[in-house]
Amino acid sequence: NAGVMQNPRHLVRRRGQEARLRCSPMKGHSHVYWYRQLPEEGLKFMVYLQKENIIDESGMPKERFSAEFPKEGPSILRIQQVVRGDSAAYFCASSPTLGTDTQYFGPGTRLTVL
Amino acid sequence: GESVGLHLPTLSVQEGDNSIINCAYSNSASDYFIWYKQESGKGPQFIIDIRSNMDKRQGQRVTVLLNKTVKHLSLQIAATQPGDSAVYFCAEAGNTGKLIFGQGTTLQVKP
Repeated sequence: NAGVMQNPRHLVRRRGQEARLRCSPMKGHSHVYWYRQLPEEGLKFMVYLQKENIIDESGMPKERFSAEFPKEGPSILRIQQVVRGDSAAYFCASSPTLGTDTQYFGPGTRLTVL
Repeated sequence: GESVGLHLPTLSVQEGDNSIINCAYSNSASDYFIWYKQESGKGPQFIIDIRSNMDKRQGQRVTVLLNKTVKHLSLQIAATQPGDSAVYFCAEAGNTGKLIFGQGTTLQVKP
């Protein structure tokens, strides 16, 4: 039973380019969460999605960031016109049902903006 | 506002000793708490969780204690091993399912 999968594991972009991060939840999980981790810090919530719905995006920056979880395929976190401050590890987690269920994390995508 | 914090940034213990990692939370309405272990370059790994209707929960070599009166959470690791070396995060589940993480405690196990 595969865990949460994320790709790419490492992504390098130049300032102004777009970054697309993908997350496939665990089998049977319909809830996906994205978190960002800056060096030497804890994880910060960004967005919570179910299939075709954004449930909570209170942690998402107002501009340049978007997320989706289509009916088919992985969840996508998209960062447009990246800046150096976007360099971080981005983690995806999934849970089977709503709310207070254990979230299982993927290995993360490490984004470096040059 | 909501916040979850850890008392010590680094904890150094001798192999075989017991480790205790502490966490304070501020939202008294939170009802679910989780401890995660994160090794360098990896994602957080679930260790143990506890709901607010419990004071203590035990797993394999780990115990989580919850004191709702003072809003304090702790993780106890028995017979700490070198493989336990990692950063440990407590997290508090918000009412929409999002997790609020503390800054983390680095556990160093000395042989």
